[in-house]
Amino acid sequence: GDSVTQMEGPVTLSEEAFLTINCTYTATGYPSLFWYVQYPGEGLQLLLKATKADDKGSNKGFEATYRKETTSFHLEKGSVQVSDSAVYFCALRGGSNYKLTFGKGTLLTVNP
Amino acid sequence: EAGVAQSPRYKIIEKRQSVAFWCNPISGHATLYWYQQILGQGPKLLIQFQNNGVVDDSQLPKDRFSAERLKGVDSTLKIQPAKLEDSAVYLCASSLGDGQFYEQYFGPGTRLTVT
Repeated sequence: GDSVTQMEGPVTLSEEAFLTINCTYTATGYPSLFWYVQYPGEGLQLLLKATKADDKGSNKGFEATYRKETTSFHLEKGSVQVSDSAVYFCALRGGSNYKLTFGKGTLLTVNP
Repeated sequence: EAGVAQSPRYKIIEKRQSVAFWCNPISGHATLYWYQQILGQGPKLLIQFQNNGVVDDSQLPKDRFSAERLKGVDSTLKIQPAKLEDSAVYLCASSLGDGQFYEQYFGPGTRLTVT
């Protein structure tokens, strides 16, 4: 079945540091790939998505590129802020079925 | 546009008790989902409704969990009797339709603690 593996957390960075959260997937077919963010006490919000190979999703300074050859969708941001502190989930949909399959999440803490 | 509403936000019960969660999806959204998010894990789909019909409940523990979506709008998820391992955040989500390209919008969740 479909699965998503993302880097273990927690990740702690200083403000303005570069962020990378690795995500790889296993799926049949041609899934869409997503990054969701969960701020403390809130539900999941869609951060960005990509629906086909080589697409780049971007939002709020975050970027991720759909790499079919390496089955990866790594999340990057050039300069993180304290307000980026949250849990980040990589997910896919449309592999063997239309279910959203999530990774375990990565807790990011950004210190001033 | 109002988002997905859930209540209660927090619930503490003892094992073997029953509990119910309520979800009001975004107006006009035909598809509704219930997810279970155990601490340290990603959300797992429990059940999916299309209007008031069940599309997928393959991961719903049917001996203790039940869900309904009367009139194709609000939904309730019930656990009876609860076990310690049911402690989790229960997320409701909705989308305009089913399928790969419809975005799911999530509510804030209900945090359940079973003691």
